[in-house]
Amino acid sequence: GAVVSQHPSWVICKSGTSVKIECRSLDFQATTMFWYRQFPKQSLMLMATSNEGSKATYEQGVEKDKFLINHASLTLSTLTVTSAHPEDSSFYICSASQGVEGKNEQYFGPGTRLTVT
Amino acid sequence: QKEVEQDPGPLSVPEGAIVSLNCTYSNSAFQYFMWYRQYSRKGPELLMYTYSSGNKEDGRFTAQVDKSSKYISLFIRDSQPSDSATYLCAMSRYQAGTALIFGKGTTLSVSS
Repeated sequence: GAVVSQHPSWVICKSGTSVKIECRSLDFQATTMFWYRQFPKQSLMLMATSNEGSKATYEQGVEKDKFLINHASLTLSTLTVTSAHPEDSSFYICSASQGVEGKNEQYFGPGTRLTVT
Repeated sequence: QKEVEQDPGPLSVPEGAIVSLNCTYSNSAFQYFMWYRQYSRKGPELLMYTYSSGNKEDGRFTAQVDKSSKYISLFIRDSQPSDSATYLCAMSRYQAGTALIFGKGTTLSVSS
């Protein structure tokens, strides 16, 4: 149980284009989903928290107009990197939580490696 | 001072050794503590989840939380080459639906 998938697992795009990454909870309903970015040999940096049906809460320093997050259902959240630049190249990981008392665990997706050329 | 401190290693041990991984934290409001294992180019996998102080055991893994010292540990007994990965501690203040604060991760290498 508690499986989270991400698609695509790897994407290369040209500078200036947009890329959409999907995060799905496969066997549970995720009230809350989180998006992280991880650079090589670094820890996970939280980008934003999204609750189903409401606007995402972005961490300080994360441009909400550049990283568009949509959490339209209890099993799907999407992250769109708009007008991507080479410095956006990173490993993007989502996690999902049931968001109920006693079930605070977060389960992570396998990650999406984005390379912007 | 960062909220969560974790020695990045690397830590190298022979197969069968007992491994001790640790994190310290500064915020006494943290109540939920987790350990994740992350293989290269993969998402983190939840290993252990504990609430408040105490010990929790699951197979070869034991998690300890000492809130008075703001110190958490993960012990791995009879370590195997397949345990070679990066281990991340994580913690949060509240229950459901709150973001985790991660340590930098400790890279472990178990040689056969």
